[in-house]
Amino acid sequence: GAGVSQSPRYKVAKRGQDVALRCDPISGHVSLFWYQQALGQGPEFLTYFQNEAQLDKSGLPSDRFFAERPEGSVSTLKIQRTQQEDSAVYLCASSLGQGIINEQYFGPGTRLTVT
Amino acid sequence: AQSVTQLDSHVSVSEGTPVLLRCNYSSSYSPSLFWYVQHPNKGLQLLLKYTSAATLVKGINGFEAEFKKSETSFHLTKPSAHMSDAAEYFCVAPGIRYGQNFVFGPGTRLSVLP
Repeated sequence: GAGVSQSPRYKVAKRGQDVALRCDPISGHVSLFWYQQALGQGPEFLTYFQNEAQLDKSGLPSDRFFAERPEGSVSTLKIQRTQQEDSAVYLCASSLGQGIINEQYFGPGTRLTVT
Repeated sequence: AQSVTQLDSHVSVSEGTPVLLRCNYSSSYSPSLFWYVQHPNKGLQLLLKYTSAATLVKGINGFEAEFKKSETSFHLTKPSAHMSDAAEYFCVAPGIRYGQNFVFGPGTRLSVLP
């Protein structure tokens, strides 16, 4: 079956623009995670969904970042008024069970460049 | 706060020689620990995980890791490196907030020389 997919794979935005990044998790996976990976660094947790409920958004760096998963499947990460420091690879992961003990399956990421 | 330290940002080995990638964690409770691998232009993939069962954990592609609580370490090893092992390796621990987020180490880039 298909793995986790993300779109677009690459996005260039001018500073101040809004962007929306999409994640299609593996079908039936309960948990969905978003991470931000800056160049040369490890991924940093942004937010976690269990089905449609956003249980943890402690990693979102500012109120310009917003994530949703309205039907418990596809998720969208939105960044408003993008800034240069938002340039990074945004990773989505899903897992079958609840919480983090289950293996997370990662998508290829969306590389965002803010100019 | 939970943190993960990977002592080497870059490790270079010759093909056929052993691999050792070091990881230390800080935690006030017995953790679950993971190693993930990231090949260029590919998604992160789970290599292995420790969840309080056997302290020596075997993973995919011949990798294994040993959990040592007294040393707060979870080093990744492989007896014989292959060219295809060249990648970025991340040691990962649970975060403390709700136990539902991951904390990634900074990563170790493994190069394998012919």
